[in-house]
Amino acid sequence: QVQLQESGPGLVKPSETLSLTCAVSGYSISSGYYWGWIRQPPGKGLEWIGSIYHSGSTYYNPSLKSRVTISVDTSKNQFSLKLSSVTAADTAVYYCARDLAFDYWGQGTLVTVSS
Amino acid sequence: DIQMTQSPSSLSASVGDRVTITCRASQGIRNDLGWYQQKPGKAPKRLIYAASSLQSGVPSRFSGSGSGTEFTLTISSLQPEDFATYYCLQHNSYPCFGPGTKVDIK
Repeated sequence: QVQLQESGPGLVKPSETLSLTCAVSGYSISSGYYWGWIRQPPGKGLEWIGSIYHSGSTYYNPSLKSRVTISVDTSKNQFSLKLSSVTAADTAVYYCARDLAFDYWGQGTLVTVSS
Repeated sequence: DIQMTQSPSSLSASVGDRVTITCRASQGIRNDLGWYQQKPGKAPKRLIYAASSLQSGVPSRFSGSGSGTEFTLTISSLQPEDFATYYCLQHNSYPCFGPGTKVDIK
């Protein structure tokens, strides 16, 4: 059974960089698929942030591309998100998921941007 | 950019009702569409992939249809556990979710 688990700070200050990691179990990232991040502001809809292929090639939402970096560590079977220059508008539950069709999801982690 | 719309944005229904939700893409996306159910405080759960294929473990009262630009999710007989918000997702170009349809109790 494929499982994903997000981790990282729950509070980030404005203008700083949000960093999250997604640990994958039950499937080896190096075997294939894209691995991605999605976010959901409180009370709002879902927004795809970006994805990374197991080889390391990346695919970002054009609206966030200038601030997003996604990387993969196949040795630890995990991938990571960095979102720079955050503002209150980046407050959201952040999910990691497998594939561009998002078949498996993590439980999500709330990140609040506040001083 | 491909934009997704959903209708209705919300609906009230009773247990046993047949419910249909529509998703439209601004341009053709073949069958690169999925449907997701989300309950409060939980991650979305995929119900349908490739527009009409039922995800393993999902009850057969859920079905999907469509291709190109218009798609539907149908719940044949609404059950108490089906009250939730439903999203479509296209992944023909960069992934984009519809705005959601909230299904609540009449």
